[in-house]
Amino acid sequence: GAVVSQHPSWVICKSGTSVKIECRSLDFQATTMFWYRQFPKQSLMLMATSNEGSKATYEQGVEKDKFLINHASLTLSTLTVTSAHPEDSSFYICSAREGRDNSPLHFGNGTRLTVT
Amino acid sequence: EDQVTQSPEALRLQEGESSSLNCSYTVSGLRGLFWYRQDPGKGPEFLFTLYSAGEEKEKERLKATLTKKESFLHITAPKPEDSATYLCAVRGLMDSSYKLIFGSGTRLLVRP
Repeated sequence: GAVVSQHPSWVICKSGTSVKIECRSLDFQATTMFWYRQFPKQSLMLMATSNEGSKATYEQGVEKDKFLINHASLTLSTLTVTSAHPEDSSFYICSAREGRDNSPLHFGNGTRLTVT
Repeated sequence: EDQVTQSPEALRLQEGESSSLNCSYTVSGLRGLFWYRQDPGKGPEFLFTLYSAGEEKEKERLKATLTKKESFLHITAPKPEDSATYLCAVRGLMDSSYKLIFGSGTRLLVRP
């Protein structure tokens, strides 16, 4: 149980374009989803917390206008990287929890974004 | 400030050579400590949650233990398929938004 599906697994886009990444909880409802960014050989950095039906909460230093997050349902959150630049190239990972206190986060398989 | 430090950064073992990975943490009250395994190009896979000092959890060749300042992930007789990055994360008592603090991980390579 507790499967999180992330799509696409990799994407290459040109500088200036926008890219949408989807995160779905397949067998549970996730009132909260989280978006992380990971650089090579580094740990996960939380970008934002996505709450169903409300605005996302962004971490300090994360541009909310560049990284648009939508959590329209209990099973789907999307991250849109707008006007992408090469420095946005990274590994983006979403996660979700089932709602019971201290239930672990379950992660998607990540999206490798390359901006050319 | 809450902090998680993992050591060693990288570890090479021969198949069958047991060892331990360390996760030291500083948090204002611990609500939970989590171990994850991450394969290259994949998202982290949940392994264990530990809640209080003295607690232990086991899964196959892995055993996680917890004290008030650190956690160990013991790997007994590892196999090449255990090669991965192991991540430790903590959640503090004051956290209401489930904001986990991750360590930088230990990259484990088990050679046949």
